[in-house]
Amino acid sequence: EVHLVESGGGLVKPGRSLRLSCTTSGFTFGDFALSWFRQAPGKGLEWVGFIRSKSYGGTTEKSPSLKGRFTVSRDDSKGIAYLQISSLKIEDTGVYYCSRDRYYYGSGKFDSWGQGTLVTVSS
Amino acid sequence: DIQMTQSPSSLSASVGDRVTITCQASQDISDNLNWYQQKPGKAPQVLIYDASFLEGGVPSRVSGSGSGTDFTFTISSLQPEDVATYFCQQYDSLPWTFGQGTKVE
Repeated sequence: EVHLVESGGGLVKPGRSLRLSCTTSGFTFGDFALSWFRQAPGKGLEWVGFIRSKSYGGTTEKSPSLKGRFTVSRDDSKGIAYLQISSLKIEDTGVYYCSRDRYYYGSGKFDSWGQGTLVTVSS
Repeated sequence: DIQMTQSPSSLSASVGDRVTITCQASQDISDNLNWYQQKPGKAPQVLIYDASFLEGGVPSRVSGSGSGTDFTFTISSLQPEDVATYFCQQYDSLPWTFGQGTKVE
């Protein structure tokens, strides 16, 4: 069974950095692209970025509205995807989800999601 | 960015009612559309991909249709377990974008 579990969230002060992890099991991690999303309290979903399978270059795409503070990476040996967020802002508060793309290149079609990890940015 | 306009933002219905949600894209996205269900405190669950294909395990009372800019999500006979928020999402071009959501009560 496919599982994705996010971790690394918590209470963080503005300006600090945070690395979120998406630990996976139940499938061949290296064969799939992984995406990150976020959801501010009481709001809709926002796509953050994704990383392609290494067989497709392992390249990343990010939402242009996030202005470079977000970095997606992956460790295929551990089956973990990461989201590094730098210079955290209060408006980064929300639940962060990872999801598995159906394909290695990043199609935008997702078939499994994690349960999310809450990031709260506050002084 | 492609804007996804979803309506209504909320609706109230009774068990057995037919429920319809629409999603309009700001430009042609072919059939590159997902529909999700999200229950409070839970992760989104994909119900429909490619605008009309049911994800495995999704009940047949759920359906999706449309192509181009106009899409419809339908629950033919609302059940208590269908109380949730529903989102559409386009994957025709980056950045992938979502509708604002429809809360079904």
